[in-house]
Amino acid sequence: DGGITQSPKYLFRKEGQNVTLSCEQNLNHDAMYWYRQDPGQGLRLIYYSQIVNDFQKGDIAEGYSVSREKKESFPLTVTSAQKNPTAFYLCASTADFSSYNEQFFGPGTRLTVL
Amino acid sequence: DAKTTQPPSMDCAEGRAANLPCNHSTISGNEYVYWYRQIHSQGPQYIIHGLKNNETNEMASLIITEDRKSSTLILPHATLRDTAVYYCIVRPPGNFNKFYFGSGTKLNVKP
Repeated sequence: DGGITQSPKYLFRKEGQNVTLSCEQNLNHDAMYWYRQDPGQGLRLIYYSQIVNDFQKGDIAEGYSVSREKKESFPLTVTSAQKNPTAFYLCASTADFSSYNEQFFGPGTRLTVL
Repeated sequence: DAKTTQPPSMDCAEGRAANLPCNHSTISGNEYVYWYRQIHSQGPQYIIHGLKNNETNEMASLIITEDRKSSTLILPHATLRDTAVYYCIVRPPGNFNKFYFGSGTKLNVKP
């Protein structure tokens, strides 16, 4: 089945540590996205990538970094510079950046900073 | 960007139709209306989208008013598994980086 996988489902981190969240898709989609969701809130865009080897900052990129070396992979690193990293992180993809096709989401990673 | 307004919560009896409203009074002529839902602690799931005409698929129907300033998502026979937060999103043309999820409507389907 085609889809998006995120790992791990739950992640615990000590303050001051960097941590990388995995996102893989086998949908052959060009565009990928990372969102952050806080309790009772909507989604906020962290980074997005329209195509391999390209990515752009979203609305809340500070304290995060990404890479897009392969079409199917878009890992997110939460750095120690992110002041409040505890949240639910969602990865998504679309066939391309500009079409009206729907956005597909992964199951999410819940990050807790201890 | 067009903004949307949804009631924070709604109740629906199991087996009855659930009608979820959304106001998007500032929508532009080429902006689509999307609906997603999110079951607790899972990723959002696409339901349906439309521009002007009413749309129907295996999950739901989307009714868009003639002036396009509001829409209604209809789940024809709600089940307990439809309990979720439902998001109405209006997307400007060209860029998915303007795909804003608000707080949505929490639909509680009750036995």
